[in-house]
Amino acid sequence: KNEVEQSPQNLTAQEGEFITINCSYSVGISALHWLQQHPGGGIVSLFMLSSGKKKHGRLIATINIQEKHSSLHITASHPRDSAVYICAVKETSGSRLTFGEGTQLTVNP
Amino acid sequence: SQTIHQWPATLVQPVGSPLSLECTVEGTSNPNLYWYRQAAGRGLQLLFYSVGIGQISSEVPQNLSASRPQDRQFILSSKKLLLSDSGFYLCAWSGTRGIKETQYFGPGTRLLVL
Repeated sequence: KNEVEQSPQNLTAQEGEFITINCSYSVGISALHWLQQHPGGGIVSLFMLSSGKKKHGRLIATINIQEKHSSLHITASHPRDSAVYICAVKETSGSRLTFGEGTQLTVNP
Repeated sequence: SQTIHQWPATLVQPVGSPLSLECTVEGTSNPNLYWYRQAAGRGLQLLFYSVGIGQISSEVPQNLSASRPQDRQFILSSKKLLLSDSGFYLCAWSGTRGIKETQYFGPGTRLLVL
């Protein structure tokens, strides 16, 4: 079992739909990251969370430390949101990140 | 502002040939530096990280090695490439203020070993 699991693996939506991507982890963490990887391969850090909720534009990230679960929401989705979304956790011991396998999101016009 | 560069962007190499991928960071000093590999259809795997010049930690036994000859330069090398070394290699940096630092990724190098 992976330490970080994301669901779904693939997600196809119509433009305008509300999207949720989930991340569950099994280790103690100090922070959780949501990353976005575009088709060209470049990766951008969207959020870093240690508790609660963060919002940036149409993106919202939440984390429940007790349940070891985080969600990334996209409101009013757009084709340019099409990318791979990756959840990564920083364990309380050590400095490295452990990554989920990613969720491939495709938003059709 | 800080920027991170990787070179080359794409590389096709024969099996058994050597490899050298370069990562440089601008606009910050004494960063933590990381090399990741992303095999096709799989998640990111940490290969090496460095907290300072000449200080390299290896996360997974590999056909690869890393060096940090200067504060803001991180090099990934191999003496003899294997087919399984194909993948997308990402360099990243983070600050050193604490364990919660965000990591910033470079544009990546796509390596195909034939």
